[in-house]
Amino acid sequence: DQQVKQNSPSLSVQEGRISILNCDYTNSMFDYFLWYKKYPAEGPTFLISISSIKDKNEDGRFTVFLNKSAKHLSLHIVPSQPGDSAVYFCAASEAAGNKLTFGGGTRVLVKP
Amino acid sequence: KAGVTQTPRYLIKTRGQQVTLSCSPISGHRSVSWYQQTPGQGLQFLFEYFSETQRNKGNFPGRFSGRQFSNSRSEMNVSTLELGDSALYLCASNQGTVANYGYTFGSGTRLTVV
Repeated sequence: DQQVKQNSPSLSVQEGRISILNCDYTNSMFDYFLWYKKYPAEGPTFLISISSIKDKNEDGRFTVFLNKSAKHLSLHIVPSQPGDSAVYFCAASEAAGNKLTFGGGTRVLVKP
Repeated sequence: KAGVTQTPRYLIKTRGQQVTLSCSPISGHRSVSWYQQTPGQGLQFLFEYFSETQRNKGNFPGRFSGRQFSNSRSEMNVSTLELGDSALYLCASNQGTVANYGYTFGSGTRLTVV
């Protein structure tokens, strides 16, 4: 039972354009959502998070949108840079600091 | 400040053996979690320790165990290794308070079982 799903395993985007990564969840008890970026042979790096009481959170080039009624969140990266090429995971937790349930990841390739 | 440190980085073990992995959290972080990453199953939660007590546990067999010491360092043990235990094992630390969110991950230990 996959409670967090990233339906697009890969995404290719031109440098300077917008990257949009999507994530769906089924557990209505999730109230905290996070995005992580991962390079090969490294641990995931925290990017941005959002609480269920908000619908948008912005940090520099990264913006996360949450649609709680649709149980859907998305990560926008604007503008995309070649260094953004990595695997991106969305994760959810039922309480801040609790265990994280991860999606399967989306591999992003930003072409120069 | 120093990040989350995991040792060793790489490990090769034989089926049936046991293995112990180590994790030193960020100074001041009291919560340590362990995750397993495999190509087929993605990132899966193993367990979380807070103040030397297991606070959360994932759906892994009893061969997977862990502990946390008074200095918050944590170890994970896998007994009777199986080929399917080959994975990247990630440790993550967090201050463990409700107001805090997100975990800082280490670089992982790549375990290969042959």
